[in-house]
Amino acid sequence: KNQVEQSPQSLIILEGKNCTLQCNYTVSPFSNLRWYKQDTGRGPVSLTIMTFSENTKSNGRYTATLDADTKQSSLHITASQLSDSASYICVVSDRGSTLGRLYFGRGTQLTVWP
Amino acid sequence: EADIYQTPRYLVIGTGKKITLECSQTMGHDKMYWYQQDPGMELHLIHYSYGVNSTEKGDLSSESTVSRIRTEHFPLTLESARPSHTSQYLCASSEPSTGDGNTIYFGEGSWLTVV
Repeated sequence: KNQVEQSPQSLIILEGKNCTLQCNYTVSPFSNLRWYKQDTGRGPVSLTIMTFSENTKSNGRYTATLDADTKQSSLHITASQLSDSASYICVVSDRGSTLGRLYFGRGTQLTVWP
Repeated sequence: EADIYQTPRYLVIGTGKKITLECSQTMGHDKMYWYQQDPGMELHLIHYSYGVNSTEKGDLSSESTVSRIRTEHFPLTLESARPSHTSQYLCASSEPSTGDGNTIYFGEGSWLTVV
C-alpha cells in the first residue's frame, strides 16, 4: 500500500534554532517528492519539488533532502522564525498514471516560540 | 504567488441546504482538483478534471458533484448538506503533467460547517 509517514507529528522549537522534519514513503513507482507549508486555515504553499535524480534542494532557509534508495526525505529549517509556525506536508507522486497520483502525509505541526 | 481563488472562505449552513463552493484560477491550467481535509489529517482527493467537460471522482467517496464548463472555473456542489460534510475543501490547479514535478497551486480553502 502506498503511504507517506511524517515525523514528528508535532514539534516546538525556540526562535533562531534549527530543526529537521522527516518523511518516509512507500510510494512506487516514485516520480517526485514535494514539501508544502500550510499555515493554519490557509491552503498549502509549495516549498520544494525533487525528482528521483535530485538529492537536495534549497529554498531560502528551507533545505530538503531525498534518499530514493531508502525512500526517505527530510526538510531542514535553519534559523527558525515565528512565521515558520505551520504544518509541513510531505507529498509523493507516483509514475503510475497520467494524473501523477499524489500521496499526502498528515504533516508535522511546527510551533516556533519567541 | 498563486492565482487561484476560492469563495466563500467560511460558511455555516443548515442541514439539507444546497451549497456551491466556487474555485477560479487565472493561470490557464488544464488540471484542477478538489481536496477535502479534516483538521490534523491528510488531504484526500475527491474530484479532478483534465480540462473543459472532463470530470472524474477521486480517491475519497464524496456526495458532492463538480462541473468544468470553462477552463478557469471548477465549482463544487453539495445538493443536500449534512453535518458529516463539515470540513475544509481545498481547490488546486496545475500544468498538464504532475509526473515531472510541475507545481500544484492551492487556493486558500473553504471551511464548511453544517449544523
